[in-house]
Amino acid sequence: SQQGEEDPQALSIQEGENATMNCSYKTSINNLQWYRQNSGRGLVHLILIRSNEREKHSGRLRVTLDTSKKSSSLLITASRAADTASYFCSPFSGGYNKLIFGAGTRLAVHP
Amino acid sequence: DVKVTQSSRYLVKRTGEKVFLECVQDMDHENMFWYRQDPGLGLRLIYFSYDVKMKEKGDIPEGYSVSREKKERFSLILESASTNQTSMYLCASSSPQVETQYFGPGTRLLVL
Repeated sequence: SQQGEEDPQALSIQEGENATMNCSYKTSINNLQWYRQNSGRGLVHLILIRSNEREKHSGRLRVTLDTSKKSSSLLITASRAADTASYFCSPFSGGYNKLIFGAGTRLAVHP
Repeated sequence: DVKVTQSSRYLVKRTGEKVFLECVQDMDHENMFWYRQDPGLGLRLIYFSYDVKMKEKGDIPEGYSVSREKKERFSLILESASTNQTSMYLCASSSPQVETQYFGPGTRLLVL
């Protein structure tokens, strides 16, 4: 598997605003996964999008995947202070479910 | 709910000590992983295991070893702890049928 590159490194918004994070990768994938990490805790899986899907929703989360550009985006709508966390993408190309994680995007949502 | 537990949330050890970090999962997952996380470096894979008694090196195995005697338990061993092994250690598990990983809460290790 390969590492995704998240952008921006940090994002600061007000409650109620939307937050968009991007992920780029280099080679073809089976799927791409997004995870969240609250400060000092383990990662929590948010959503998985397969290579033949273009968009996926889960609650306030919307993920898009553009395989031609080798990029994905995570949109959190109507953000809340509880969304404050680091967000990681992991492009998966197969093999023992071995995932690789980059440095992530640190999101701060201010009340 | 899948549960992955790690033996300690915080650990303080001295240089040269042998350190054991334990990870247990309750979902009968075949795959288990150990990562370390350092500021600005993201998560780096140390070792992983896809079956009992099987292990594979990740990206940064030097200074570490692992043990998987039972399916539910994956141990990370620091043979002789050094200060540059001060880090957050995260364990995860997954099954071949479901590609997502489930993480434990992490162990923050300080080596003095």
